[in-house]
Amino acid sequence: TQLLEQSPQFLSIQEGENLTVYCNSSSVFSSLQWYRQEPGEGPVLLVTVVTGGEVKKLKRLTFQFGDARKDSSLHITAAQPGDTGLYLCAGLQKAAGNKLTFGGGTRVLVKP
Amino acid sequence: SAVISQKPSRDICQRGTSLTIQCQVDSQVTMMFWYRQQPGQSLTLIATANQGSEATYESGFVIDKFPISRPNLTFSTLTVSNMSPEDSSIYLCSVALLLPDTQYFGPGTRLTVL
Repeated sequence: TQLLEQSPQFLSIQEGENLTVYCNSSSVFSSLQWYRQEPGEGPVLLVTVVTGGEVKKLKRLTFQFGDARKDSSLHITAAQPGDTGLYLCAGLQKAAGNKLTFGGGTRVLVKP
Repeated sequence: SAVISQKPSRDICQRGTSLTIQCQVDSQVTMMFWYRQQPGQSLTLIATANQGSEATYESGFVIDKFPISRPNLTFSTLTVSNMSPEDSSIYLCSVALLLPDTQYFGPGTRLTVL
């Protein structure tokens, strides 16, 4: 069982549709990050959320941190083929030595 | 941000051999990390590379199998020793500039062990 559970594991949608990826845990995190990874590359940081209830928007991407700081979501509006990739959430627990713990990842495919 | 390079980008190795992966950063950083990403999987932290002292390994990873060097604040190496096919993975280094929750990753080294 992973500390951070991502759902769904795989998502295939048509260009223009919306999608939401979830990242859930029973543990509290001091911050949570979302990364996107494309084939042959390392993960690229999209956003860091630190405050419970926080909502951050990055163009068509909306990130939300749960009030209890145990879960997060990533919503993409009007998805484009360039949004295709592996989306990873990662949480930081200071009590665990300030190390990032990654979720299992959600593979998103946006078809033109 | 930081620009991170890794060498080699990929390699195919025979079982029982060892491979050393290099990670170079374009600026001095306090925190450097090594991760493993098995095929189709997420990232698992192998160890924190400490400058001037022994690396800090996560549960399930040992120094004899994954020796790490960190001679200065811009460079680190990870060796995968006595390889088996189960070691076939992408190995990634990352750095954190100020806070450990903001990490920048290298492009990864794709290792295949036959």
